[in-house]
Amino acid sequence: GAGVSQSPRYKVAKRGQDVALRCDPISGHVSLFWYQQALGQGPEFLTYFQNEAQLDKSGLPSDRFFAERPEGSVSTLKIQRTQQEDSAVYLCASSLTSLGNEQYFGPGTRLTVT
Amino acid sequence: QKEVEQDPGPLSVPEGAIVSLNCTYSNSAFQYFMWYRQYSRKGPELLMYTYSSGNKEDGRFTAQVDKSSKYISLFIRDSQPSDSATYLCAMGSGNQFYFGTGTSLTVIP
Repeated sequence: GAGVSQSPRYKVAKRGQDVALRCDPISGHVSLFWYQQALGQGPEFLTYFQNEAQLDKSGLPSDRFFAERPEGSVSTLKIQRTQQEDSAVYLCASSLTSLGNEQYFGPGTRLTVT
Repeated sequence: QKEVEQDPGPLSVPEGAIVSLNCTYSNSAFQYFMWYRQYSRKGPELLMYTYSSGNKEDGRFTAQVDKSSKYISLFIRDSQPSDSATYLCAMGSGNQFYFGTGTSLTVIP
């Protein structure tokens, strides 16, 4: 079956622009996670959804970052007024249950802020 | 102190060797332990998931968890050049999961 998909795969933004990154999880998966991965590092937790409810957003680095999953399926991560330090790969993962274990990742969106 | 510590390597082995990858952690509340493989410019791919202490085997891969020592391992038998990738350990409980920095592995034909 279809895995997790993310779009766009690559995004170049000028500093100060707003960007929106999309995640399509595996159909029926309850849990959805967003991670940020810097070069040479492991993914770092940003936020977690259980269906449409955002249960944890403690990893979002600033109030410029906002995520939503209004119908409990597709999720969007929005970054306002992008800064150079926002350049990273943004990964989305979904899990069948609310436990959040066995997470399946999408290919990521590579964001470059110039 | 980081939640999860993983030696970044790089690790280089000849084809057919047994590879041992390890992570340590500090939070005794962690319940779920996972290993991922990540190829360059791709998303992490789930290899193994374990819940309790002990061993779990899947083909050439064996995952080992020792909760008393807060230590997890991944063993790869009969390593192949296609196993060349970065291996990430991940663990957590509830809604938050923590990843190691990844170990870069190269299997030389």
